[in-house]
Amino acid sequence: DTGVSQNPRHKITKRGQNVTFRCDPISEHNRLYWYRQTLGQGPEFLTYFQNEAQLEKSRLLSDRFSAERPKGSFSTLEIQRTEQGDSAMYLCASSLGQGDSTEAFFGQGTRLTVV
Amino acid sequence: AQSVTQLDSQVPVFEEAPVELRCNYSSSVSVYLFWYVQYPNQGLQLLLKYLSGSTLVKGINGFEAEFNKSQTSFHLRKPSVHISDTAEYFCAVTGIGSARQLTFGSGTQLTVLP
Repeated sequence: DTGVSQNPRHKITKRGQNVTFRCDPISEHNRLYWYRQTLGQGPEFLTYFQNEAQLEKSRLLSDRFSAERPKGSFSTLEIQRTEQGDSAMYLCASSLGQGDSTEAFFGQGTRLTVV
Repeated sequence: AQSVTQLDSQVPVFEEAPVELRCNYSSSVSVYLFWYVQYPNQGLQLLLKYLSGSTLVKGINGFEAEFNKSQTSFHLRKPSVHISDTAEYFCAVTGIGSARQLTFGSGTQLTVLP
């Protein structure tokens, strides 16, 4: 399967712990996005990479959140000192940034539960 | 900046009946429009998109949507639904020339009843 892959699929952590999620985009895609989706809501944009450069960050991305995309391939999203309000589905998407036919392909997400 | 309003949070419909899921958007720039479907505990799958050209867009699984610029709407329709269409549907918008991050509506839960 050559789609967007996210790991782990589920993560339960205690409040105050750090967590890290991984996203492997479709191999030739140069754009990578992170979104957060809470129960009953649509996904909300967190951050965007073009190759290895992080070009945009949402105001939703507090100082406890950091994302990286070394070498423009896979990406990681780390949350430090987790809070109960961080409980959500974290979605990764990738796209090929060329022309107007750009379509974002989504992974299956990582569901985070902070207890 | 863009915003999306999905007017119905839940739409129950009987199998083989037609359905319309409503979406309105606002934007200060020209936009591209999308409909995504999400099955439980899954990511999002693209149903269809409007980039330019014909305002009537056909997508997968028999869905279609019509872009109405004057009413800033992009309603999703299907003439005859199946049980397997039960899912959450999200309308999304992105500004032309932007980095293409999507702004989503809050979703419409379509439940197809036997």
